[in-house]
Amino acid sequence: DTAVSQTPKYLVTQMGNDKSIKCEQNLGHDTMYWYKQDSKKFLKIMFSYNNKELIINETVPNRFSPKSPDKAHLNLHINSLELGDSAVYFCASSQVAGGDTQYFGPGTRLTVL
Amino acid sequence: DAKTTQPPSMDCAEGRAANLPCNHSTISGNEYVYWYRQIHSQGPQYIIHGLKNNETNEMASLIITEDRKSSTLILPHATLRDTAVYYCIVRATNDYKLSFGAGTTVTVRA
Repeated sequence: DTAVSQTPKYLVTQMGNDKSIKCEQNLGHDTMYWYKQDSKKFLKIMFSYNNKELIINETVPNRFSPKSPDKAHLNLHINSLELGDSAVYFCASSQVAGGDTQYFGPGTRLTVL
Repeated sequence: DAKTTQPPSMDCAEGRAANLPCNHSTISGNEYVYWYRQIHSQGPQYIIHGLKNNETNEMASLIITEDRKSSTLILPHATLRDTAVYYCIVRATNDYKLSFGAGTTVTVRA
């Protein structure tokens, strides 16, 4: 009965590879987000989708491409992984786009070697 | 561009109330005060939010000063499981994102 789930929980890969992280929410929410938490523990928004449409893209390299096949899913695909991409990535969702409470997934720890 | 100021860390005795302060002196009229926490290796967890009235739920109470320039999150009976980083976030009603600062690392000691 997990509200926001992410797979995989851990991802270890080599530089230059392409990888995807999946997110699913069963809360019936319209809006989903990706946040990145770096080694200094600061959490920053990357993307937000509302009803499958992109509404936030916070100056993220175009190697990162979110894809929302439906309202319940927001996947993050990363091309040509770099060392600096190592971080914990959190997915979140909210009922509506602006000013609503966001609920977070458990995170995916990405390590690029 | 953090809109809030929190102490970097604080300790609390198990079973006692934990009072977490937050300054947001530049808060605007349409901005809410949100509190989230992040327990080690987990995703941020919503605690409570408010505009100008004090709020209480099953997790905590939120006290906002009359001028709205500061607030206090109160965990009434802290347990060891409340050890976490607590984030105070100011957010407008039309703001899509949550802007996290460094937060307060709260350690509850037995």
